[in-house]
Amino acid sequence: QKEVEQNSGPLSVPEGAIASLNCTYSDRGSQSFFWYRQYSGKSPELIMFIYSNGDKEDGRFTAQLNKASQYVSLLIRDSQPSDSATYLCAVSADRGSTLGRLYFGRGTQLTVWP
Amino acid sequence: GAGVSQSPSNKVTEKGKDVELRCDPISGHTALYWYRQRLGQGLEFLIYFQGNSAPDKSGLPSDRFSAERTGESVSTLTIQRTQQEDSAVYLCASSSPGTGLREAFFGQGTRLTVV
Repeated sequence: QKEVEQNSGPLSVPEGAIASLNCTYSDRGSQSFFWYRQYSGKSPELIMFIYSNGDKEDGRFTAQLNKASQYVSLLIRDSQPSDSATYLCAVSADRGSTLGRLYFGRGTQLTVWP
Repeated sequence: GAGVSQSPSNKVTEKGKDVELRCDPISGHTALYWYRQRLGQGLEFLIYFQGNSAPDKSGLPSDRFSAERTGESVSTLTIQRTQQEDSAVYLCASSSPGTGLREAFFGQGTRLTVV
């Protein structure tokens, strides 16, 4: 069984702060790593994906991957109340156009208070 | 359509009845995925289609679950003899050729309640 673990939270940060979301995975063969945001009652939406060790930045979001430690994180800078949602970490053994299944964590609930 | 469309949005059924859930992917998307999300849980993979073939159906929890897809279009997930543990939101996602999981768009889901 391929496990993806996330801190269930809830994580609460003030507006303008950095929110740090963490995820570990059990399958060393994992190649692709995704962060989804899910608002209450809504479907998940992809916000970041990362394949290579290191950091990947997109606006206020930075994904960090450390394959040796089997760890992936998401940093949200200048957090806004609109960032309040559940963040899902997902992992795949496939890469690029090779299609396949994603293994999801249970998600971390983030609340950004004004 | 502009996005992945799922129907019905809500379904309440009696235990033991069969249900069909429908997914209309984004036009041109060859890959289609079904996931299940129980209350408070992460997403659980069910099955994946490439075109109308299913290379990976390993996530289907029992033989009561089946899915089919017509060409590169509509997919139907069928649950026979529903049980209360089948209650969940069933999510469908699709992605275009070459992008794979980098751009998998989810539908709004079907909330299934078995009473």
